[in-house]
Amino acid sequence: QTVVTQEPSLTVSPGGTVTLTCASSTGAVTSGYYPNWFQQKPGQAPRALIYSTSNKHSWTPARFSGSLLGGKAALTLSGVQPEDEAEYYCLLYYGGAVVFGGGTKLTVL
Amino acid sequence: QVTLRESGPALVKPTQTLTLTCTFSGFSLSTSGMCVSWIRQPPGKALEWLARIDWDDDKYYSTSLKTRLTISKDTSKNQVVLTMTNMDPVDTATYYCARIRYGDYDYWGQGTLVTVSS
Repeated sequence: QTVVTQEPSLTVSPGGTVTLTCASSTGAVTSGYYPNWFQQKPGQAPRALIYSTSNKHSWTPARFSGSLLGGKAALTLSGVQPEDEAEYYCLLYYGGAVVFGGGTKLTVL
Repeated sequence: QVTLRESGPALVKPTQTLTLTCTFSGFSLSTSGMCVSWIRQPPGKALEWLARIDWDDDKYYSTSLKTRLTISKDTSKNQVVLTMTNMDPVDTATYYCARIRYGDYDYWGQGTLVTVSS
């Protein structure tokens, strides 16, 4: 059973920078896993932020960026805003199937 | 404008079969590269990927649930249907459908809460 691991929780100060990571139990994450990142606020559906490692949607704030870092997929928030407090999920492709990470609860404090 | 909407029963009994419909607009599932996926989220828990159907009718299922899932599409109606057999209380969750365009899960429905209880 493939497992995708994210930090359960992170805390960042407003205006600060934080990096969330997404690791695969099968080994290093590469661009071939097509990492996607999503933001979910309470009571809402997930919102797509990043696809194929580092590509942004038209609605993705510029302070969000995606990359590969140390064998993991990474989502970096630079200049964090209070409204960035949310749960963040990554998704990795394994051939035709997909596995979501367990989510990172980001607190802005 | 791309939209997706999930519909189905809010309550099902244990052992029953769940049928959910995703009705979408703003794209065609006959267009190369387009896919629709189902994802669920139990209350207070993480997202779980269930299944995907592609424009060419290729289908993919969660390894742990594949014996219980069937996904199909009706391109003329812009609908994707997911059936899940032998429902159990642990299947209580919000069920989402999402559009995938060349690997990008870009648009999601608002989700539908399904409760499994006798």
